Amino acid sequence: SAVISQKPSRDICQRGTSLTIQCQVDSQVTMMFWYRQQPGQSLTLIATANQGSEATYESGFVIDKFPISRPNLTFSTLTVSNMSPEDSSIYLCSVLDRGRNTIYFGEGSWLTVV
Amino acid sequence: GENVEQHPSTLSVQEGDSAVIKCTYSDSASNYFPWYKQELGKRPQLIIDIRSNVGEKKDQRIAVTLNKTAKHFSLHITETQPEDSAVYFCAASINQAGTALIFGKGTTLSVSS
Repeated sequence: SAVISQKPSRDICQRGTSLTIQCQVDSQVTMMFWYRQQPGQSLTLIATANQGSEATYESGFVIDKFPISRPNLTFSTLTVSNMSPEDSSIYLCSVLDRGRNTIYFGEGSWLTVV
Repeated sequence: GENVEQHPSTLSVQEGDSAVIKCTYSDSASNYFPWYKQELGKRPQLIIDIRSNVGEKKDQRIAVTLNKTAKHFSLHITETQPEDSAVYFCAASINQAGTALIFGKGTTLSVSS
């Protein structure tokens, strides 16, 4: 399966600051996705990161708060801007592994905002 | 938009028993239905998936069934073991490529020995 690396794995952030999470895949993928999992909750899709075009955001998520970059077919970043304690979550990158036609997740970035 | 309901929210079984988790979805265009297992502190791991052109799929002790007419799908785990204890999430695709997912709220499965 595709190997998906995320950085940072964990961080404690001050409110009002911004943090950029990186997602690196070991093979070229057309579509990458960013999810959020708040403590004890399910996963919620934030946006689809498209290479060469702007990300597509789901309802309730906006580009000013969660800017996304997708400079090539193996890499994407998600920035969580002007963080508040409510942003404390696990942020997960996922990709479609076309060889296996299945969706895999990175190990997640565990953010705590204090 | 698509909505996925998952039941039960918690499930406790004895080792060796079977466990069944059920999900319903609202968008008839959904065509991909994966199940993920998430252990505490870890990422969701795909355990089995099914596409809309298949009614049932089995992988050792795990099986998934899909009823497109009724828009529901179920996860069946037989001969449960303590290491099956985790949170299980069902999901349904919300785009035609079957790559973006909406998740159910999860089922916490506890298997006692």
